[in-house]
Amino acid sequence: RKEVEQDPGPFNVPEGATVAFNCTYSNSASQSFFWYRQDCRKEPKLLMSVYSSGNEDGRFTAQLNRASQYISLLIRDSKLSDSATYLCVVNPMNTGFQKLVFGTGTRLLVSP
Amino acid sequence: NAGVTQTPKFRILKIGQSMTLQCTQDMNHNYMYWYRQDPGMGLKLIYYSVGAGITDKGEVPNGYNVSRSTTEDFPLRLELAAPSQTSVYFCASSYKDRVLAEAFFGQGTRLTVV
Repeated sequence: RKEVEQDPGPFNVPEGATVAFNCTYSNSASQSFFWYRQDCRKEPKLLMSVYSSGNEDGRFTAQLNRASQYISLLIRDSKLSDSATYLCVVNPMNTGFQKLVFGTGTRLLVSP
Repeated sequence: NAGVTQTPKFRILKIGQSMTLQCTQDMNHNYMYWYRQDPGMGLKLIYYSVGAGITDKGEVPNGYNVSRSTTEDFPLRLELAAPSQTSVYFCASSYKDRVLAEAFFGQGTRLTVV
């Protein structure tokens, strides 16, 4: 089983739609979780950290389910500019340093 | 606000050639990393460093070497380039000892080995 698994998509949605991505992780001891965004041929950039109680940043909501070992990202009112690949990132925190394990990403295409 | 700077942005190497990918950061981060990203794959950790003078192997270190003589610089050396090393290479850095510390990435180096 991969350490971090994501549905590769692509998810094709119209502008204004709500879309959700899930990500599962295998290491139950993992302590920190993130969503990164990567535009085509660009570097990954942090979209948001995922807190245990869930958190929201504008149109974006992240949730963590430790029992089922998955995290989710919900995007409301999708914009054309949201088209990108969304990377689920987990830090197992069992090595004493910031070892970030990246999922392969979920591609989102928002159309007019 | 330079952040993490990588050079070169693109490079074509012949099989057996060597090169160094440069990475420098101006954020005084302790941790630095080299990742490679192949099409349809997640980022794989090649090497990392937790501070000047300290480096260690990641998931896919074979064929690469690194050094960390200063906090700012973390070059990646490819010896005897092979087609399997065709990839996009990202350097990143982050703060030490922050559980939710953000990793900042350079713009990447697209390397083709022919």
